[in-house]
This record gives sequence, structure tokens and C-alpha cells, in this order.
Amino acid sequence: DQQVKQNSPSLSVQEGRISILNCDYTNSMFDYFLWYKKYPAEGPTFLISISSIKDKNEDGRFTVFLNKSAKHLSLHIVPSQPGDSAVYFCAAKGGFKTIFGAGTRLFVKA
Amino acid sequence: DTAVSQTPKYLVTQMGNDKSIKCEQNLGHDTMYWYKQDSKKFLKIMFSYNNKELIINETVPNRFSPKSPDKAHLNLHINSLELGDSAVYFCASSHLLYRDRANVLTFGAGSRLTVL
Repeated sequence: DQQVKQNSPSLSVQEGRISILNCDYTNSMFDYFLWYKKYPAEGPTFLISISSIKDKNEDGRFTVFLNKSAKHLSLHIVPSQPGDSAVYFCAAKGGFKTIFGAGTRLFVKA
Repeated sequence: DTAVSQTPKYLVTQMGNDKSIKCEQNLGHDTMYWYKQDSKKFLKIMFSYNNKELIINETVPNRFSPKSPDKAHLNLHINSLELGDSAVYFCASSHLLYRDRANVLTFGAGSRLTVL
């Protein structure tokens, strides 16, 4: 029962271009959505979040968009940099639980 | 000065053995978690403790037993290890859980358990 889905296992983008990572969820009771970034041999680190009552949140090069009717959110990275190459996890919080997707591996080519 | 530290980082053991993974956080957080990342790469929550009290206990075999001696430590003990227990186990912590907050987790680097 995967309540948070990231259907693209990987994404390759040229440096300077936009990276768009997608996430779908099934539970309309989630109240917050978060993105985490993970480098090899490290734990995930928090990147950006959005409340379920918002449709956009921006922090520097990172913007998260939420479409509640479609139960879909996306993370935009503009411009993409080689240091952004990592696994990105979408997560959804409902009550006291945070549920994660399987991650999307982003490659940013120089 | 690591915020959430887990030991050991790697653990290789035989089926049937009992092993423990330790976790400590120095962030002053009230809540700690264990997540399992299996071969399909999902991070699945196993347990959560809030001020030493168990608040989340997912459908996990009772061979897995968490122990929180104080709010800065959450250990995971696994009895009678099976091949399917092979995974990366992540410890995490956060401030006190609120229903109307984002509840950002700070993760440790993970402990890779391999059961032969």
C-alpha cells in the first residue's frame, strides 16, 4: 500500500536547466508534504516543505508546487547544479506519521 | 559534531543471531524514530518514541524491539535475524510532534545490516 509514489526512478538534466521531480499521493488527509535530499552513505536531509493549504512554496532555487485536486506535488530546481545530483525523497505527513516515497535519483550533467 | 549518530554503520551477521543498533541525538529533540530502507528503496517507518513513550509501532515482527532509555537515545534490538531483515536502518529525530506542523526529521547516516 504505497501512499506516496515517485514513479520516476531517475532523471538526468543538463547543468543550468530546470529539474522537475514528481510525486503522487493517495491519502487526502496528509497535512504537510516535504522533500528530502540524500547523498550516498548519508541520511536524508530536509530540503523544503509545503502545507496542504498552500499551492506553492519557494526557497532559493527550490520550489514545491502542490495540486491537491490531482493529489500531486512537484519539486522544481532552477538552475540545476552538479551538486544537486542526489536521491530526492518525497514525504507526506499525516497525524504523527511521515511516509516516504521510493525516491528519484537526479543526475545533473556538467 | 554529529547531530544524529548511529552505530554500527555496517553490520554483517548470520541468520538466527541477535543484534542491536544504537542511536543517539544531541539536538534536544523529543521524538525519535526508526525507519527501514529495503531493497525497493522505500523508507518505511517502524517505530517512534516521544519522551521515552512508544507512539508509533507499525506492523513489524516482534523480533524487533526498540528501547529508549532516555529521550536522547533510541536503540533497536533484533532477535533471530532473518535474510529479509537485510536493509539499511535509519534513525531520525524531530521536535515534539504537532499535528499542524511540518515535523522535519533529522536523520542519522544509516546502519547497513546484512544477514547471511
